[in-house]
Amino acid sequence: DAGVIQSPRHEVTEMGQEVTLRCKPISGHNSLFWYRQTMMRGLELLIYFNNNVPIDDSGMPEDRFSAKMPNASFSTLKIQPSEPRDSAVYFCASSFRDNYGYTFGSGTRLTVV
Amino acid sequence: GQQVMQIPQYQHVQEGEDFTTYCNSSTTLSNIQWYKQRPGGHPVFLIQLVKSGEVKKQKRLTFQFGEAKKNSSLHITATQTTDVGTYFCAGPDSSYKLIFGSGTRLLVRP
Repeated sequence: DAGVIQSPRHEVTEMGQEVTLRCKPISGHNSLFWYRQTMMRGLELLIYFNNNVPIDDSGMPEDRFSAKMPNASFSTLKIQPSEPRDSAVYFCASSFRDNYGYTFGSGTRLTVV
Repeated sequence: GQQVMQIPQYQHVQEGEDFTTYCNSSTTLSNIQWYKQRPGGHPVFLIQLVKSGEVKKQKRLTFQFGEAKKNSSLHITATQTTDVGTYFCAGPDSSYKLIFGSGTRLLVRP
């Protein structure tokens, strides 16, 4: 298996633009997580899907952030409009089931100027 | 809400010295997981501990889960430059999502 695949690896965009981050989890994993990592706040869970259904989105910063998982092999995290404070590394992770270790993707480094 | 705390924040050691990072949870955990993130990389799962007082070893790494299942430690014997990175502990909350500690960044002088 190729692991969790994220795209793009790097994204530089101007403030106010829409940004879409993509994730393909490991086949057979039924849980998918979006995390954001910054120096100041560490690893923060944004949203968690189980069997393609959003279970907990309490970590989503505000209405500018949205996430979807239309099927078991694809998820997107969208920021609209983007702001400079959204600059961070965004990781997608998947897990076989509850209480199993997570496999993280390589991340998307987002810079909003 | 549940909090997971790690100390120290940074540790700079001479190659060959030992290293320990400590993890404390505000609540009792069903299990604890450890991850390593190399500079510029992504977190990689190392191990999961489930039982009270459990000790597991991976080569030079020793992981312990406290008797009360609220704390854990990772000890590296005779560090090498390949050990450089940030080590995170993580524990599940009541809805099974992982709460990560702030991490301990290990730097190794060759």
